[in-house]
Amino acid sequence: DQQVKQNSPSLSVQEGRISILNCDYTNSMFDYFLWYKKYPAEGPTFLISISSIKDKNEDGRFTVFLNKSAKHLSLHIVPSQPGDSAVYFCAAPDGGTYKYIFGTGTRLKVLA
Amino acid sequence: NAGVTQTPKFQVLKTGQSMTLQCAQDMNHNSMYWYRQDPGMGLRLIYYSASEGTTDKGEVPNGYNVSRLNKREFSLRLESAAPSQTSVYFCASYRDEDEQFFGPGTRLTVL
Repeated sequence: DQQVKQNSPSLSVQEGRISILNCDYTNSMFDYFLWYKKYPAEGPTFLISISSIKDKNEDGRFTVFLNKSAKHLSLHIVPSQPGDSAVYFCAAPDGGTYKYIFGTGTRLKVLA
Repeated sequence: NAGVTQTPKFQVLKTGQSMTLQCAQDMNHNSMYWYRQDPGMGLRLIYYSASEGTTDKGEVPNGYNVSRLNKREFSLRLESAAPSQTSVYFCASYRDEDEQFFGPGTRLTVL
C-alpha cells in the first residue's frame, strides 16, 4: 500500500504560469513533509518542507500547502521557469525510524 | 566539502556477477541510506544505517547487502546480480532536524 501518492506522472505548463504539483498521503501520523527536485543524471535535491503544525510554507517562488483533513499537499511554483523542468518528489519521514517514504514523482515540463 | 559522493557513476554487469557500490559523506551525518529509482516507482529504500555500526532493511532489501564501514562510508553489495537489479542507485545521508542529502547516483545495467 503506497502511503505517499503522486497521481500525476507528468505536467506541462507555459513559462510564467503557475505549476501545481499534488501529493496525497494515507498515514495520519505523518507530521512533516518535504519536496525534492531531481534533474536528469543528478541526485534529488531538497526544495521545501512543511510541518503539520502549519498549512503553508513559502520560499521565494515555491509555496507548499498542507490540508491535513484531506491528507493532501501541493507545491505551487509561481511564476514557472524553464529551469524548473525536473521531476518532483514528495516525501514524508516514517515516524521516528529515520526513513523517508517517497511518492512516485511528477515530471514537470515548463514550456518557453 | 563534497557532500555525498558515489562510485562508480556507471556500471554494466552480466547476470551472476558481483559488485560493490561505494558511498561516502563528509558532513558528519549519523544516518545513511541506499535507494533505487525505477521508472514509475519513485525512490525505494533498500537499506539504511541509523548510526555507525547499525544497519536495517528497507522496502526492497532482497539481493543486496550493506556495510557501514565507518561514520563516513556506507557500501551496497550485489552478490549475484540479476536483470531486475538494473536501476539507478542513490546514496543519501541525514542529520537530525535536517533533510536527506543525496549523491549523484550510480546507473547500473545487468545484462
